[in-house]
Amino acid sequence: DVKVTQSSRYLVKRTGEKVFLECVQDMDHENMFWYRQDPGLGLRLIYFSYDVKMKEKGDIPEGYSVSREKKERFSLILESASTNQTSMYLCASSSHQGGQTVEYFGPGTRLTVT
Amino acid sequence: LAKTTQPISMDSYEGQEVNITCSHNNIATNDYITWYQQFPSQGPRFIIQGYKTKVTNEVASLFIPADRKSSTLSLPRVSLSDTAVYYCLVGPGWDSNYQLIWGAGTKLIIKP
Repeated sequence: DVKVTQSSRYLVKRTGEKVFLECVQDMDHENMFWYRQDPGLGLRLIYFSYDVKMKEKGDIPEGYSVSREKKERFSLILESASTNQTSMYLCASSSHQGGQTVEYFGPGTRLTVT
Repeated sequence: LAKTTQPISMDSYEGQEVNITCSHNNIATNDYITWYQQFPSQGPRFIIQGYKTKVTNEVASLFIPADRKSSTLSLPRVSLSDTAVYYCLVGPGWDSNYQLIWGAGTKLIIKP
């Protein structure tokens, strides 16, 4: 089974703090993604990466950065956390399966910024 | 980028068959149709994927008409544990750099 793990299930940080969210996948997938999910808004893509050291902006990259130094690890960084970044953060990785792309998700990190 | 439209919510009863329909009028030739299930406080989980006609696995069936402008996820004999949000997505199957577009999903509530 594909496994995507995230460093924390719950996190509470103060406004202005630098926050690191870590994601690790164990299936040698090329693509990795960071989403945030808010009530009524569904999943919104923050950043994605299709290779080591490669990154692409998603729909809402402002206030975030990412790092992918190793294939299995994709980190999301909040340089200076703000209360509007309180959300559920979901990491995913994807692979091809006979021409079909399927995303596998981690359990999520619920971040609260106070 | 093909967008999808699906009902915001549905409810049904245990033991019933539930069908959730998704519209994707602008689906492209190389797009696949994929459904995910999400429980509260968990990441979405892949259910089923198809390109045309009918696909069936151990948990669901996916019906895709010839014009591929819609698709229907069918859940046979649902139980309370099928209460979740169901997402319909379309996207290319062979472009590994392409990200999927997520809509708001359908909140399915199963009643006893």
